[in-house]
Amino acid sequence: GAGVSQSPSNKVTEKGKDVELRCDPISGHTALYWYRQSLGQGLEFLIYFQGNSAPDKSGLPSDRFSAERTGGSVSTLTIQRTQQEDSAVYLCASSSAPGQGGYGYTFGSGTRLTVV
Amino acid sequence: KQEVTQIPAALSVPEGENLVLNCSFTDSAIYNLQWFRQDPGKGLTSLLLIQSSQREQTSGRLNASLDKSSGRSTLYIAASQPGDSATYLCAVGDYKLSFGAGTTVTVRA
Repeated sequence: GAGVSQSPSNKVTEKGKDVELRCDPISGHTALYWYRQSLGQGLEFLIYFQGNSAPDKSGLPSDRFSAERTGGSVSTLTIQRTQQEDSAVYLCASSSAPGQGGYGYTFGSGTRLTVV
Repeated sequence: KQEVTQIPAALSVPEGENLVLNCSFTDSAIYNLQWFRQDPGKGLTSLLLIQSSQREQTSGRLNASLDKSSGRSTLYIAASQPGDSATYLCAVGDYKLSFGAGTTVTVRA
């Protein structure tokens, strides 16, 4: 597609429920990233995909967080048993590989998650 | 660990004035540096990407410089307009970006 698409744009969920956030990267971008932006906090790296594998998932806050990518394209970030501290904007980005403009990121508009 | 600092945290200028936004980073062994713009409630829009071998990039009224030896980058916005009001973020890294906290710019008409 023309840009990085994320859905839903807004999600309100009850504490303890599971949520799935979706990211559809730019066609042909091999790298995909998830970041989190909490109120008053900076942007926090969560996970990096190269193709379907995740060589760096060091930013995932706990084992309640998981992510997968299929077909080298769409990625899903899953948060199990949501807690109020999970409330944040979750941003997805994609980029081409090095040597093709470097790791120039293109971000989606984000999913605003509110846990009540 | 890479630390990225942006000064000032906020800036208010009258329309037409030039803007100078500063970014500093602690580890000069960076892969590239990218400037983003974020509007309230929105995602990030990429403005300029400077690869580590480059010294500057220009796009329209925007110019960004990179000095790896001093760990600094500066974003210049010429002849500011009210539509330039946003938060500007600097980020450095390779596949994993470290972000500054941003500079919130208000351009008064």
